[in-house]
Amino acid sequence: DQQVKQNSPSLSVQEGRISILNCDYTNSMFDYFLWYKKYPAEGPTFLISISSIKDKNEDGRFTVFLNKSAKHLSLHIVPSQPGDSAVYFCAASGVGRGTGNQFYFGTGTSLTVIP
Amino acid sequence: DVKVTQSSRYLVKRTGEKVFLECVQDMDHENMFWYRQDPGLGLRLIYFSYDVKMKEKGDIPEGYSVSREKKERFSLILESASTNQTSMYLCASSLRHVVNFGPGTRLTVT
Repeated sequence: DQQVKQNSPSLSVQEGRISILNCDYTNSMFDYFLWYKKYPAEGPTFLISISSIKDKNEDGRFTVFLNKSAKHLSLHIVPSQPGDSAVYFCAASGVGRGTGNQFYFGTGTSLTVIP
Repeated sequence: DVKVTQSSRYLVKRTGEKVFLECVQDMDHENMFWYRQDPGLGLRLIYFSYDVKMKEKGDIPEGYSVSREKKERFSLILESASTNQTSMYLCASSLRHVVNFGPGTRLTVT
């Protein structure tokens, strides 16, 4: 059962406008949330994260919002640039078996920024 | 910066072959993971390890095994490759809250 869901497989946005990518999760025990960006034929790269004790984290053009009551997070990119075109994965982290954290990933949203 | 390296970027193997995918990380991380990425299915966890010689099944372990003899190295083994194992394989390591990925291996089984 998918614990982290990204319901929009794709999104197209005009350059300079805001991109909003959404993610929902089911497990209230997750304590950390992350966004990754992936270009074709490359591994995902870490973009931004947020702890469950916060509701917003900002890094340059990227802001992540967390709504714990709705079990929902979103990534805002402002302004969007053509180089932002990639697949974005949402992930949630929780304590797994043993001493390590486990990471649960969504299915990804393919963002296209149109020049 | 954490560096996770994978032995091959592209690999073509025949059905029934035994395939080894090697992964090395240089940051002394306890936790290492193998994922596969397929269109529409996202990143699915195959196996993970939180210590040397320790391994845990992920969501899709069937047809795979792993080996972690040294802390920095985590190998994924396809015992008898099949065409449905054609995929992008991603190795990763983590210390706590952030997982760091390697560049991936695009495996094609013919």
